[in-house]
Amino acid sequence: AQSVTQPDARVTVSEGASLQLRCKYSSSVTPYLFWYVQYPRQGLQLLLKYYSGDPVVQGVNGFEAEFSKSNSSFHLRKASVHWSDSAVYFCAVRRNNNNRIFFGDGTQLVVKP
Amino acid sequence: GALVYQYPRRTICKSGTSMRMECQAVGFQATSVAWYRQSPQKTFELIALSTVNSAIKYEQNFTQEKFPISHPNLSFSSMTVLNAYLEDRGLYLCGARTGGNEQYFGPGTRLTVL
Repeated sequence: AQSVTQPDARVTVSEGASLQLRCKYSSSVTPYLFWYVQYPRQGLQLLLKYYSGDPVVQGVNGFEAEFSKSNSSFHLRKASVHWSDSAVYFCAVRRNNNNRIFFGDGTQLVVKP
Repeated sequence: GALVYQYPRRTICKSGTSMRMECQAVGFQATSVAWYRQSPQKTFELIALSTVNSAIKYEQNFTQEKFPISHPNLSFSSMTVLNAYLEDRGLYLCGARTGGNEQYFGPGTRLTVL
């Protein structure tokens, strides 16, 4: 079975500060890993994904994530956040031969001016 | 490019009535379509997965009797919420997958039940 844990329900940072949102996964094999963002009253937008290869993947709007097999983690990072980054961020996993995506509970990011 | 449209974007129905929502893949053929629900303040739960040439698979706590799905071709799927009640309110997302690994999500249908 697969599962995704986002240990932080809410993260507050000041504009311009660096950011890390944590994601841990549980899977018998290395899954495909995703980060999505949900802006208020909207659907999901894909930030980035990891299938294989370089463990650091670059996404849109300056986001990146690092896959760690030893830690079963896929943390999201950004060097300098902007107020417009305030949203809910979802980590998700999918087994590579399966169509089912499982989402974490989400982390609400609040960027203070 | 690949896009997924959902219709309607927002809908309101009376408690006990039914509501049908649609999902359209544009620019690609969707080999599978997954329907998710996000209840207020919660994450996305998988309702069911519909794959071409396979039976529709419903997740635990979701049934065909409550959420019948139609997937007549590689670009269209619809799902109905039958006999909707307050606990059915939320954002319903459609995710369509290409023959490769890419999955695209629509903007969702937001259901309010009065």
